[in-house]
Amino acid sequence: SQELEQSPQSLIVQEGKNLTINCTSSKTLYGLYWYKQKYGEGLIFLMMLQKGGEEKSHEKITAKLDEKKQQSSLHITASQPSHAGIYLCGADDGSFGNEKLTFGTGTRLTIIP
Amino acid sequence: GAVVSQHPSWVICKSGTSVKIECRSLDFQATTMFWYRQFPKQSLMLMATSNEGSKATYEQGVEKDKFLINHASLTLSTLTVTSAHPEDSSFYICSAREGSRQDGYTFGSGTRLTVV
Repeated sequence: SQELEQSPQSLIVQEGKNLTINCTSSKTLYGLYWYKQKYGEGLIFLMMLQKGGEEKSHEKITAKLDEKKQQSSLHITASQPSHAGIYLCGADDGSFGNEKLTFGTGTRLTIIP
Repeated sequence: GAVVSQHPSWVICKSGTSVKIECRSLDFQATTMFWYRQFPKQSLMLMATSNEGSKATYEQGVEKDKFLINHASLTLSTLTVTSAHPEDSSFYICSAREGSRQDGYTFGSGTRLTVV
C-alpha cells in the first residue's frame, strides 16, 4: 500500500513569514491532493496535482509535484492566522472506478502574531 | 460546488449500544463514498469504501461486523458502529467525489462519537 510521510509534523510560524510543508510518497503518485482541516471539522480541498513538475497556486498557497512524482511541497507565502490548521496530503491509488484516497501523517500549522 | 452532508455532528452513546452515522451527497450522485476515522492529533485513516448496491470494501484491520456500511442509494451511505465500546470513540468522516479527480474529493463535516 502507498505510504505518505509529511514533514514537519508541526510548525509554528510568525505571521507574515513563509513556510513549506513536504509530502513524500513510497510509490509513484498518480494524483496528489492537498487538504486543510480545522481540528474536529471537515476537510477543505486546496488543490490536486497529477503531472510531474506540475505547479498550482491558489491565493497565497502554491503546491508543486516533483518530476518523479514521488514528492510534493506546499508553500504558503506571507502567512496569516487564517492559514492555521492541519494540512494533509492525500494520494489517489490511480485505479479507475475503484479508486481510494489515503492520507499522509499531517502537518499542524500554528501562526503566531 | 459539491456538498456532502454528515449527521449527526456529534453523538454520545452508552457502551453496548449501536450508533448510525449518515453521509449524504446533496447535489450529486455518488456511486462510491469513503469512510475515515481520525484519532486526536492524528491523520485520517481510511476504513472502508462504500459502493452503491454492493458490499463495502474494508481496509485491512477494520472489523466488518463492527462497522456496518450500507450504501442503499446513490446519495446516501450509512456507517453503523455496533456494540460500541469506549475505544470506538473517535471522529468519523465521510467523503465522495462528484466529478473528475482534479475536482477533488468532498468531505462531510464529520461526526464525533463518544462512547461512555
